[in-house]
Amino acid sequence: ELKVEQNPLFLSMQEGKNYTIYCNYSTTSDRLYWYRQDPGKSLESLFVLLSNGAVKQEGRLMASLDTKARLSTLHITAAVHDLSATYFCAVVQGAQKLVFGQGTRLTINP
Amino acid sequence: DTEVTQTPKHLVMGMTNKKSLKCEQHMGHRAMYWYKQKAKKPPELMFVYSYEKLSINESVPSRFSPECPNSSLLNLHLHALQPEDSALYLCASSQDPMGAQGSGYTFGSGTRLTVV
Repeated sequence: ELKVEQNPLFLSMQEGKNYTIYCNYSTTSDRLYWYRQDPGKSLESLFVLLSNGAVKQEGRLMASLDTKARLSTLHITAAVHDLSATYFCAVVQGAQKLVFGQGTRLTINP
Repeated sequence: DTEVTQTPKHLVMGMTNKKSLKCEQHMGHRAMYWYKQKAKKPPELMFVYSYEKLSINESVPSRFSPECPNSSLLNLHLHALQPEDSALYLCASSQDPMGAQGSGYTFGSGTRLTVV
């Protein structure tokens, strides 16, 4: 059974600082996703990572994937308040089942 | 059209009621999904339909009954729910049911269900 673990689960940081969210998963998978969720809202797709060493960047967010270590990171550079949200990583089990991590609730303070 | 549309956005129902949630996409995606998300928890898979056939049922209680009338529509019929079934129900679709690389998932905005 695939397990997906994120840490930290809660993160409070100041604007302008850098930080990293980690996502570990227990079995081999060929796809990893990062999503953002604002309170009471649906999931917004951020990144799809398909291969070992994949790195994708969008604005202040950068995601990477190490399939050998079964680890993905989401790095936040010079955080701004608008990035406050819950971030989920998710890994595909088999061909169709998307298994989510517990989520990291990120609060960015002025 | 690059959206998954869910209706209604909010639903309050009694434990003896029968109601349905609706999900629609016009992206030509051949796989559709129902997820349940409790407050402050990650989404959990309930059902998967591939090419309009049920391919995964994650041991969901029979008071939840999915239906896929055609490739664009997915329904979730609800009957005799319990208060603990209150949650955000998310529909999603993906282009390739067999998970070809790069086949992403598009999520709808969800239906917030309250069972009283």
